[in-house]
Amino acid sequence: EADIYQTPRYLVIGTGKKITLECSQTMGHDKMYWYQQDPGMELHLIHYSYGVNSTEKGDLSSESTVSRIRTEHFPLTLESARPSHTSQYLCASSDLWTDPHGYTFGSGTRLTVV
Amino acid sequence: AQRVTQPEKLLSVFKGAPVELKCNYSYSGSPELFWYVQYSRQRLQLLLRHISRESIKGFTADLNKGETSFHLKKPFAQEEDSAMYYCALLNAGGTSYGKLTFGQGTILTVHP
Repeated sequence: EADIYQTPRYLVIGTGKKITLECSQTMGHDKMYWYQQDPGMELHLIHYSYGVNSTEKGDLSSESTVSRIRTEHFPLTLESARPSHTSQYLCASSDLWTDPHGYTFGSGTRLTVV
Repeated sequence: AQRVTQPEKLLSVFKGAPVELKCNYSYSGSPELFWYVQYSRQRLQLLLRHISRESIKGFTADLNKGETSFHLKKPFAQEEDSAMYYCALLNAGGTSYGKLTFGQGTILTVHP
């Protein structure tokens, strides 16, 4: 089934560890996004990509990095996790031609850094 | 710069009562607006978009360019409407085309 998948759903990790949050979509969408969302709070765009080898910083500054080597895959990496990185991370995708105005969101990864 | 404001963080109503979730925007071009909803333990999903002029789950939203508003309304709230609602504005031009700017969100609670 065409969808967008995020793994893991939950992650508890110690300070200083390197982590990668996975996001994959099987819809062939060209645009992909990462949002950060604290519980009950607004969504902040931290990274986006308009296609392979295209990545841009979002509106909220983040110490994370992203890559887009394949259309379907948009992982987010934290080289050294800190407690301030504790949050929920949402991945989304959209396609300009088939669904130009709607985003499809993943289920999110809830990250806790201890 | 584009901006979306949802002035109410929390909104509580009783079942059967009308409900209105407010959304105001700031955008220099012709706006394209959306409402997204996040039910408990579910992913964020599109509720409706103003260009479709459709009613989803009894909700409607009218774009008022004069008041720069896109309020979400339902005449008779149901308990299953309890959720987090986000208003969003699409950037439709320039290098940021396709980016959505979200409001702060409104938590709607419908009491029995």
